[in-house]
Amino acid sequence: GDSVTQMEGPVTLSEEACLTINCTYTATGYPSLFWYVQYPGEGLQLLLKATKADDKGSNKGFEATYRKETTSFHLEKGSVQVSDSAVYFCALRNSGGYQKVTFGTGTKLQVIP
Amino acid sequence: SAVISQKPSRDICQRGTSLTIQCQVDSQVTMMFWYRQQPGQSLTLIATANQGSEATYESGFVIDKFPISRPNLTFSTLTVSNMSPEDSSIYLCSTITDGRNTEAFFGQGTRLTVV
Repeated sequence: GDSVTQMEGPVTLSEEACLTINCTYTATGYPSLFWYVQYPGEGLQLLLKATKADDKGSNKGFEATYRKETTSFHLEKGSVQVSDSAVYFCALRNSGGYQKVTFGTGTKLQVIP
Repeated sequence: SAVISQKPSRDICQRGTSLTIQCQVDSQVTMMFWYRQQPGQSLTLIATANQGSEATYESGFVIDKFPISRPNLTFSTLTVSNMSPEDSSIYLCSTITDGRNTEAFFGQGTRLTVV
């Protein structure tokens, strides 16, 4: 079945540091890939997405590129802010008949001033 | 896109009682999903609810414990029955709009504490 593996947290960074959160996936077919963010006490919000190989999703300074050859979708940001502190989930949605979303375990990011 | 209104946002319940969580979507959608997020954990799919048919439950979840209703294309409820402290979690409803490659949309979640 489909699965998503992302790096363990928590990740603690100083403000303006570079961020990379690794995500790899296993899926049949051609899934769409997503990063969701969950701020403290809130639900999940879509951060960015990519629907085919070599697509780059971007939003709020975050980027991720759909790499089919390495089955990866790593999240990157060049300069994090305290307001980026949240839990980040990598996810995929397969193009097959049962279109549920499969989530990774989540990575907690804490940015300190 | 889809906007989901979920309520209640939080509740504290006595063990042995039941709580019904409601989700209202601002458009008609075919599939709705219910997830559980235990403290510090990822999302676990409980069941998929399609209008006009029985919900499909994932391994480890049963209808007697988590009955689901889906009376129309914009509304669903999840009941957590005969609650115990182990049911303390965040419960989230979700949907996907029709069409390939679209993302899932989520309600704000219900934070349930069972005492």
